[in-house]
Amino acid sequence: KQEVTQIPAALSVPEGENLVLNCSFTDSAIYNLQWFRQDPGKGLTSLLLIQSSQREQTSGRLNASLDKSSGRSTLYIAASQPGDSATYLCAASSGAGSYQLTFGKGTKLSVIP
Amino acid sequence: DGGITQSPKYLFRKEGQNVTLSCEQNLNHDAMYWYRQDPGQGLRLIYYSQIVNDFQKGDIAEGYSVSREKKESFPLTVTSAQKNPTAFYLCASTSGYSTDTQYFGPGTRLTVL
Repeated sequence: KQEVTQIPAALSVPEGENLVLNCSFTDSAIYNLQWFRQDPGKGLTSLLLIQSSQREQTSGRLNASLDKSSGRSTLYIAASQPGDSATYLCAASSGAGSYQLTFGKGTKLSVIP
Repeated sequence: DGGITQSPKYLFRKEGQNVTLSCEQNLNHDAMYWYRQDPGQGLRLIYYSQIVNDFQKGDIAEGYSVSREKKESFPLTVTSAQKNPTAFYLCASTSGYSTDTQYFGPGTRLTVL
């Protein structure tokens, strides 16, 4: 059974700093790896999706990488802003034909002005 | 605007009552999902449906029931058999292709009085 772990559980950084969030998964037989953002009391917003055949994806100040062999993904946020404060969740897709996502518990990011 | 709607936003249930959470999507997606989120936890899959009139249990289906009579709708009933129903419930949908992310609704917060 797929297990997804995110470290650290919480992170506080000063505005303008570059930062990396980590995600690890136990089963490398994934279709894709996804990163989501969740604001307090809200639903999830998709940030990046990396196909199993890809190594990384970029969107603006965000860059996500995927290393299937080691079971790891990272989300890099450049020049952090207070508006980036949120919980970031990663999810691994697996389950042949069913496209299920297994989520980590998230990293709560606080960017201090 | 295309998207997923969930209602109500807040729901209060007395012990022994069944309650139904609504989820509607106008994205023409085949697959729909229900997740439960507890404080400090990732999302756990309750039920999912890949096609109308068909659905499968997720990891924590006990005490819940669903129906999928229309492509656009996937209501979740929290029955009195669910011993600890207080949680944040999220509905999601996707086209089902591995290149497509899951799109989430805004969530329903259920509290047992």
